[in-house]
Amino acid sequence: EADIYQTPRYLVIGTGKKITLECSQTMGHDKMYWYQQDPGMELHLIHYSYGVNSTEKGDLSSESTVSRIRTEHFPLTLESARPSHTSQYLCASSEVGTDTQYFGPGTRLTVL
Amino acid sequence: AQKITQTQPGMFVQEKEAVTLDCTYDTSDPSYGLFWYKQPSSGEMIFLIYQGSYDQQNATEGRYSLNFQKARKSANLVISASQLGDSAMYFCAIYSYNTDKLIFGTGTRLQVFP
Repeated sequence: EADIYQTPRYLVIGTGKKITLECSQTMGHDKMYWYQQDPGMELHLIHYSYGVNSTEKGDLSSESTVSRIRTEHFPLTLESARPSHTSQYLCASSEVGTDTQYFGPGTRLTVL
Repeated sequence: AQKITQTQPGMFVQEKEAVTLDCTYDTSDPSYGLFWYKQPSSGEMIFLIYQGSYDQQNATEGRYSLNFQKARKSANLVISASQLGDSAMYFCAIYSYNTDKLIFGTGTRLQVFP
């Protein structure tokens, strides 16, 4: 069982605001991921990281950015939120050498 | 490229009955992993079961079993003795060892009724 946390769980914000979605895990996993999921739809990978100072863009283009300064922390930032960013954002982590990803509870973002 | 197809957008099952959720996949990778996740209305993704492409036996985890038919490229999830708490979205996913990425299907919404 994984311990991975995301805050906030829900966020309603106005257009143009800068937001940071937090993701932390306590398992010491090197690999971390951000997925975007529209309601009732599949998940799409938007960012991933293999360790500290490693970040890569995923398959779905996103205006968000990520950083990985500490192993346990993988925040996602939107410099200027727009209504098109309204979605659920899920963070996940896995150990190197394994393929099972464990997910956090998600952040439901609504941009007005 | 990998692809997952879940053709059942919604399924209904009566409590205590078994239900099968379909999943077919397409991949050119010689080695891959297949996963099922459960997503309740609260939004989190809960890992249920994993099947490696080289595993000879079907995976089982409690009431969940994965019916893996490699030649047909199918990885159906069987839930035995359904419970009301099983009502959720269920996602099939394939992991590529080449790309180190997990590709998800569109999901099946399961509703268990008393």
